[in-house]
Amino acid sequence: AAGVIQSPRHLIKEKRETATLKCYPIPRHDTVYWYQQGPGQDPQFLISFYEKMQSDKGSIPDRFSAQQFSDYHSELNMSSLELGDSALYFCASSSSPRVPYGYTFGSGTRLTVV
Amino acid sequence: AQKITQTQPGMFVQEKEAVTLDCTYDTSDQSYGLFWYKQPSSGEMIFLIYQGSYDEQNATEGRYSLNFQKARKSANLVISASQLGDSAMYFCAMRENAGNMLTFGGGTRLMVKP
Repeated sequence: AAGVIQSPRHLIKEKRETATLKCYPIPRHDTVYWYQQGPGQDPQFLISFYEKMQSDKGSIPDRFSAQQFSDYHSELNMSSLELGDSALYFCASSSSPRVPYGYTFGSGTRLTVV
Repeated sequence: AQKITQTQPGMFVQEKEAVTLDCTYDTSDQSYGLFWYKQPSSGEMIFLIYQGSYDEQNATEGRYSLNFQKARKSANLVISASQLGDSAMYFCAMRENAGNMLTFGGGTRLMVKP
């Protein structure tokens, strides 16, 4: 079965650079969520989209922005990268915001800022 | 206050034995959902089991069962017949009625001994 696809799997950037992470949800899933998991930390919710509109916002820094496109894929744009942005970034998708089983996570993008 | 508390940072269990991973939660919502995820060293977040707040029966999925005690606000994960492949980080998470995001606990690292 198709899963949530995230690209790239690994990314190394320098401080102050920009990074773009991509997420392709499971087909027919219209809701996408982004999480950040720092080293040794639990995942923290960043932002979510439902039907291409932002639905919830968590602890996403102002330097980050995200959007969901017409094909439901989502991109997380990160600018002025800092060392503290080094983390595993997860995307998850669900068939609606209210489906309790909804969450299927991708394998994550590991971002290293040097 | 922490919404999800996992009091066991690390645990050992002998192969083939059962193990209980603790999770307590805090919410004032009547409707909420509780999840358990497994995160192996490779990093992906694997869904294990789900319990809705209105479900009267404890959830079970193969060797995983959720010991849901609503009055105590606990949702412990029980893994029966532990296998070496169960060695991983385990996260308890909650989705409250007010939003669609998951709030995670700090995780428990389970190590299965041969």
